[in-house]
Amino acid sequence: DAGVIQSPRHEVTEMGQEVTLRCKPISGHDYLFWYRQTMMRGLELLIYFNNNVPIDDSGMPEDRFSAKMPNASFSTLKIQPSEPRDSAVYFCASSWGRGVDNEKLFFGSGTQLSVL
Amino acid sequence: DAKTTQPPSMDCAEGRAANLPCNHSTISGNEYVYWYRQIHSQGPQYIIHGLKNNETNEMASLIITEDRKSSTLILPHATLRDTAVYYCIVKASGTYKYIFGTGTRLKVLA
Repeated sequence: DAGVIQSPRHEVTEMGQEVTLRCKPISGHDYLFWYRQTMMRGLELLIYFNNNVPIDDSGMPEDRFSAKMPNASFSTLKIQPSEPRDSAVYFCASSWGRGVDNEKLFFGSGTQLSVL
Repeated sequence: DAKTTQPPSMDCAEGRAANLPCNHSTISGNEYVYWYRQIHSQGPQYIIHGLKNNETNEMASLIITEDRKSSTLILPHATLRDTAVYYCIVKASGTYKYIFGTGTRLKVLA
């Protein structure tokens, strides 16, 4: 398996623009997670899905952020409109989630987002 | 989930064992100890997890004290490629909110 695949690797945009980050989880994994990492706040959980259904979105900073998982092999994180404080590395992760030995997370390589 | 406390940074000589401590004094009976590491600019990588028994895999060993209030991750023969931030996390089975703290920045020295 190729692992968790995120695109794009780097995104530079201007304030006010819409940004869409994409993630393909490992095939067969039931859980998908979106994290954001900054120097100030570290690694923060934004939202996670189970079987394509959002379970906990309490970490989503505000209404400008939205996440979808239309099928088991694809998820998006959208920011509209983007602001400079959204600049961060966004990671996607997936997990089998069936039993304690299968709850470990597999992370993608991340998307480095810069909002100017 | 219980909180964890880790030293912010540590150095280790290449080839020597790296022992990374973690305190989790408020851990509950159903919470596991997980370790992940993050090499610069990459996504975190799972290392090992355990409940109360010591665990070993191809990457590391995990030693959990009898009272489960602390644990130590051991990299038996550290290499330069082990330089990374190491995160200790406690999480109950069946929950999925991994809370990453600030971790320990391990620097392996040649």
